[in-house]
Amino acid sequence: ETGVTQTPRHLVMGMTNKKSLKCEQHLGHNAMYWYKQSAKKPLELMFVYSLEERVENNSVPSRFSPECPNSSHLFLHLHTLQPEDSALYLCASSQEWRGGGTGELFFGEGSRLTVL
Amino acid sequence: GENVEQHPSTLSVQEGDSAVIKCTYSDSASNYFPWYKQELGKRPQLIIDIRSNVGEKKDQRIAVTLNKTAKHFSLHITETQPEDSAVYFCAAPWGGGSYIPTFGRGTSLIVHP
Repeated sequence: ETGVTQTPRHLVMGMTNKKSLKCEQHLGHNAMYWYKQSAKKPLELMFVYSLEERVENNSVPSRFSPECPNSSHLFLHLHTLQPEDSALYLCASSQEWRGGGTGELFFGEGSRLTVL
Repeated sequence: GENVEQHPSTLSVQEGDSAVIKCTYSDSASNYFPWYKQELGKRPQLIIDIRSNVGEKKDQRIAVTLNKTAKHFSLHITETQPEDSAVYFCAAPWGGGSYIPTFGRGTSLIVHP
């Protein structure tokens, strides 16, 4: 397996459920990202993990909780979501500049989330 | 974070015509400006980028120009082909010299054969 892989590709959940999205990168990169893609905001940054540092968009609701156990894996834990959270969630990785990289983002194919 | 404005939101051209997409940014410390292409149902992929030490960069039919004084940069596609039809996103650093991209709202380019 190469590149950035995301699971599940599709997820339907009720508003009271708890679920998690998983992302794994096989590129040896040192930064991983969660972006939300919807018709309203096409590519909205949610969270970034790089070199043990976490950066987040302050407008992300607390019902989204990221976890980065190591440089290759990234999770997005979901609980008590709202229907407006339905979107495509894209994971990406990069080798950022402090690590001698170009900063180019490599995206996964996304997890399509539907909240009923 | 950085504020990136992208125009137009939709661009329709005839095959063989040129297409230009423009973006503006707010943080004068920003120094890296990538462009990503997202075909229908696929993931975004980098097509070209430019750093602030140059004013123009070309790669075959695509080019990017940067005006740091005016804080805007543009994507130029010449001799457009139907396979150029996609959504194009510009990006600028999240904050100043940060490496984290924040994206424009995207431009849907339609190339009519």
